[in-house]
Amino acid sequence: SQQGEEDPQALSIQEGENATMNCSYKTSINNLQWYRQNSGRGLVHLILIRSNEREKHSGRLRVTLDTSKKSSSLLITASRAADTASYFCATDEGGSYIPTFGRGTSLIVHP
Amino acid sequence: EAQVTQNPRYLITVTGKKLTVTCSQNMNHEYMSWYRQDPGLGLRQIYYSMNVEVTDKGDVPEGYKVSRKEKRNFPLILESPSPNQTSLYFCASSYVSGIETQYFGPGTRLLVL
Repeated sequence: SQQGEEDPQALSIQEGENATMNCSYKTSINNLQWYRQNSGRGLVHLILIRSNEREKHSGRLRVTLDTSKKSSSLLITASRAADTASYFCATDEGGSYIPTFGRGTSLIVHP
Repeated sequence: EAQVTQNPRYLITVTGKKLTVTCSQNMNHEYMSWYRQDPGLGLRQIYYSMNVEVTDKGDVPEGYKVSRKEKRNFPLILESPSPNQTSLYFCASSYVSGIETQYFGPGTRLLVL
């Protein structure tokens, strides 16, 4: 099954800076989700964006979706040390109930 | 508190010794699923269940069994564990399907010797 691929694999920034990570996929989707995982813990859902949406916000998070380029980006503004985590995108192939997760972007925010 | 619980959280076992990892959710979700997470491979779905008595294979079902006799519980069974099943396992649930918001358990770290 297809797999969302996050880019970059790792990102290291200073507190207060913005962090941008990207997710690309191969075929059409209905939904795309972003999750956060703190080291060794369960994933926490951040945002779900549907194929007919272009942008969504949640607090310091901004997600965009470009279906023509088959890509999504997650922007974390004014990052904090507590944002240090791995971030995953999850996509669904059109009509499938099985989500497919990418390998994740590891974000380190230095205080 | 709405949550997904898994037990045990850590488990060391030997090849061939049957084990069960339990998963329970208190949100009345219809959809439940199991994932394994391995370094460099991300999360891969093992099995999922759309409702009671309805289960289906995910991407990596070999060597695993599941059952869904009650809505809240979705145990993962390894009949004859092998070292290549050493992994971090997550149970997740959602209202309708895996393509909607999923709530994840804390994970079970399994080592098969």
